[in-house]
Amino acid sequence: GAGVSQTPSNKVTEKGKYVELRCDPISGHTALYWYRQSLGQGPEFLIYFQGTGAADDSGLPNDRFFAVRPEGSVSTLKIQRTERGDSAVYLCASSQGRRRATDTQYFGPGTRLTVL
Amino acid sequence: AQKVTQAQTEISVVEKEDVTLDCVYETRDTTYYLFWYKQPPSGELVFLIRRNSFDEQNEISGRYSWNFQKSTSSFNFTITASQVVDSAVYFCALSTGNQFYFGTGTSLTVIP
Repeated sequence: GAGVSQTPSNKVTEKGKYVELRCDPISGHTALYWYRQSLGQGPEFLIYFQGTGAADDSGLPNDRFFAVRPEGSVSTLKIQRTERGDSAVYLCASSQGRRRATDTQYFGPGTRLTVL
Repeated sequence: AQKVTQAQTEISVVEKEDVTLDCVYETRDTTYYLFWYKQPPSGELVFLIRRNSFDEQNEISGRYSWNFQKSTSSFNFTITASQVVDSAVYFCALSTGNQFYFGTGTSLTVIP
């Protein structure tokens, strides 16, 4: 159906708070990716799901970041004890999941997180 | 190490001019894939093209064309007869077996 959707589009929080960012992938896509994009930079990989499992979480910067995808569809990126340096646009992408190297990733509009 | 370099940070052209966005990549893998994405002001990355390392044929799609040269590790993108709607940030990306690497992007402004 529709493309990748992400909610909220904007999130403002205070330092130290907990936030959850949601991603709804394209229907039927088994692979899901989270990226972080800082101003003036390209997207930076965070985590990759194949189905329900995190196949590669090597991009998560530290243990304050965690993501789940319990039913193999919607995913939630969770950030604990937010810091000002976490401010960025968080992008979600999905792909068919046939093969990671060749799959074309389709991106959502992103969630702009601002930590005050 | 894998790397994508987009040396042009910002480009401005007048409408109807042609413009080429450069992308140079670095990888030791023999099998890899190259992509271009467009990011308009709305923020959503839009897929434009995918190329695999074994196919050096250039591609044309309307006003867009891509020149892939393995000898120089480049995958350049040309927009002919640019239009205001082409104004966006364009990202080149490299995919190997395990990772997807984006360049830092080129911001294109087309002036009417």
